[in-house]
Amino acid sequence: DQQVKQNSPSLSVQEGRISILNCDYTNSMFDYFLWYKKYPAEGPTFLISISSIKDKNEDGRFTVFLNKSAKHLSLHIVPSQPGDSAVYFCAASINAGNNRKLIWGLGTSLAVNP
Amino acid sequence: DAGVTQSPTHLIKTRGQQVTLRCSPKSGHDTVSWYQQALGQGPQFIFQYYEEEERQRGNFPDRFSGHQFPNYSSELNVNALLLGDSALYLCASSGTVTNYGYTFGSGTRLTVV
Repeated sequence: DQQVKQNSPSLSVQEGRISILNCDYTNSMFDYFLWYKKYPAEGPTFLISISSIKDKNEDGRFTVFLNKSAKHLSLHIVPSQPGDSAVYFCAASINAGNNRKLIWGLGTSLAVNP
Repeated sequence: DAGVTQSPTHLIKTRGQQVTLRCSPKSGHDTVSWYQQALGQGPQFIFQYYEEEERQRGNFPDRFSGHQFPNYSSELNVNALLLGDSALYLCASSGTVTNYGYTFGSGTRLTVV
């Protein structure tokens, strides 16, 4: 049972345009959401996060939107650059006893074309 | 400031063998989590160590075990290797003071033949 779903395995956009990566979740107990970026042969790198009490968090070209009623979040990258080409993972954090656990989506491969 | 370091980077083992993977957390981090990432999949949580104890475990069999040392470094051991254990094994460290941004190592690519 996939609690965090990224339904688009891949996305292709032109340089300078907006990239929108989507993520849906099923567990209303998730209280923090994170986006990670992964290049081939490297570990995931933390990109941006959002608390469940917020609906938007912005950091430079990256903005994450959270719609709790729809259990949906999205990552916007504006403007997209070729160096943004990577696999993007959505992860949800939940308090599991006295520690935290991350539940991951399967990832969306973003290709930004020059 | 060194991030998370994992060793070895690549490993080839035969079915039935045992393997030990190693991880040194980022300076200042005391919690280590291990993930398995199969090709085309997101990372799957194996277990988490804090204060040298396994604090949380994912849906992995007992063939997967671990250890955390007093210097916060950690080992992942897998016994009786199966072909399906071939994957990228990621180690992530975090601090106990609220830090939702885990820092990941580059992983160990394990191939079981």
